[in-house]
Amino acid sequence: QQPVQSPQAVILREGEDAVINCSSSKALYSVHWYRQKHGEAPVFLMILLKGGEQKGHDKISASFNEKKQQSSLYLTASQLSYSGTYFCGTEPGGSEKLVFGKGTKLTVNP
Amino acid sequence: NAGVMQNPRHLVRRRGQEARLRCSPMKGHSHVYWYRQLPEEGLKFMVYLQKENIIDESGMPKERFSAEFPKEGPSILRIQQVVRGDSAAYFCASSPPPRVNTEAFFGQGTRLTVV
Repeated sequence: QQPVQSPQAVILREGEDAVINCSSSKALYSVHWYRQKHGEAPVFLMILLKGGEQKGHDKISASFNEKKQQSSLYLTASQLSYSGTYFCGTEPGGSEKLVFGKGTKLTVNP
Repeated sequence: NAGVMQNPRHLVRRRGQEARLRCSPMKGHSHVYWYRQLPEEGLKFMVYLQKENIIDESGMPKERFSAEFPKEGPSILRIQQVVRGDSAAYFCASSPPPRVNTEAFFGQGTRLTVV
């Protein structure tokens, strides 16, 4: 039931773009995206709902393809503060159980 | 409005002792999740609780681990007879009802070290 994230790690220079993918073998009703910095708690970025629109704020946005059971997180013009590990969480089959992928470690260098 | 509070932040236990981890959800939140995270790894689901009710404990080891969320007071994750492999960061998250499609807020975690 755990969603699969790719890639496992990304290294960028400041200003470059990145895409992080999340896919599931189960029907998805929603996808949650979180970012966790080393030694800190995960912080909520956004939630995408079935039948909803693409979401975004600032230079971070996400899409949700219900048919393919996939979501993608887009980071444009990356900043140093974007560094961290990004997790997607899903509620497979609307089960109310929020299950996370293994994470994608993003490093943004000057 | 205080966020999700976990205590202690750091806990050291000798092998064979008991560990009690506490999680006070945000005000108005009646649902709590517990996750375990090993260094450089993901968030592994353990248990999902509503007040006075365990909804899903499919991620909990069958032995030594238990969780509760009483009508009054914090949620407790209890680990009996700890072993070195229990060393990890334990995070709880809370959300308002209904749970599906709502944001979960995380606490700062409890780092458990078993020596």
